[in-house]
Amino acid sequence: SQTIHQWPATLVQPVGSPLSLECTVEGTSNPNLYWYRQAAGRGLQLLFYSVGIGQISSEVPQNLSASRPQDRQFILSSKKLLLSDSGFYLCAWRPGDYGYTFGSGTRLTVV
Amino acid sequence: GQQVMQIPQYQHVQEGEDFTTYCNSSTTLSNIQWYKQRPGGHPVFLIQLVKSGEVKKQKRLTFQFGEAKKNSSLHITATQTTDVGTYFCAGNTGFQKLVFGTGTRLLVSP
Repeated sequence: SQTIHQWPATLVQPVGSPLSLECTVEGTSNPNLYWYRQAAGRGLQLLFYSVGIGQISSEVPQNLSASRPQDRQFILSSKKLLLSDSGFYLCAWRPGDYGYTFGSGTRLTVV
Repeated sequence: GQQVMQIPQYQHVQEGEDFTTYCNSSTTLSNIQWYKQRPGGHPVFLIQLVKSGEVKKQKRLTFQFGEAKKNSSLHITATQTTDVGTYFCAGNTGFQKLVFGTGTRLLVSP
């Protein structure tokens, strides 16, 4: 079966520290992968998407970067976190021409 | 850039009342999707509409795609407490990415 894994579930990091969030998909090959961020009580903002290994499209200039080192792995990173990076980070993939499947998300609090 | 707005932002109903959320895109969409996010959870895909004027039903939920493919609506008949959550529409312009609406938060009181 096709599943998406995202970790950690929650994270509290000090300002200026690095960040690495990982997302992996199982049961499929060459999926389109997405990183979204949701501020508290707000909608979903597309941050990055990838259609293949090493292919990253950035939607919003910011303090974050993404990488896709393997077919089913998508990583969100930052060298130095800002307070404004706090939020709910969601990884998603699209099985075919249908709805997105989201991971369970990471709640990041930058303090 | 493309914007997708939803109204209302928030609605509080009594159990058994109907609920409708409206979605409007600034550009024509190739398809539109609807998601539900329970409090503390992640968005879960509900349905996709592709054709102009399309109407789909899922039990008490009715989804409609506008004739011009720029707007959509979700109607819930006789709400239940299990309907609580935020409902998002999401528009696809055919460029590998989905733009989410601003969401409508629904609260249902027993």
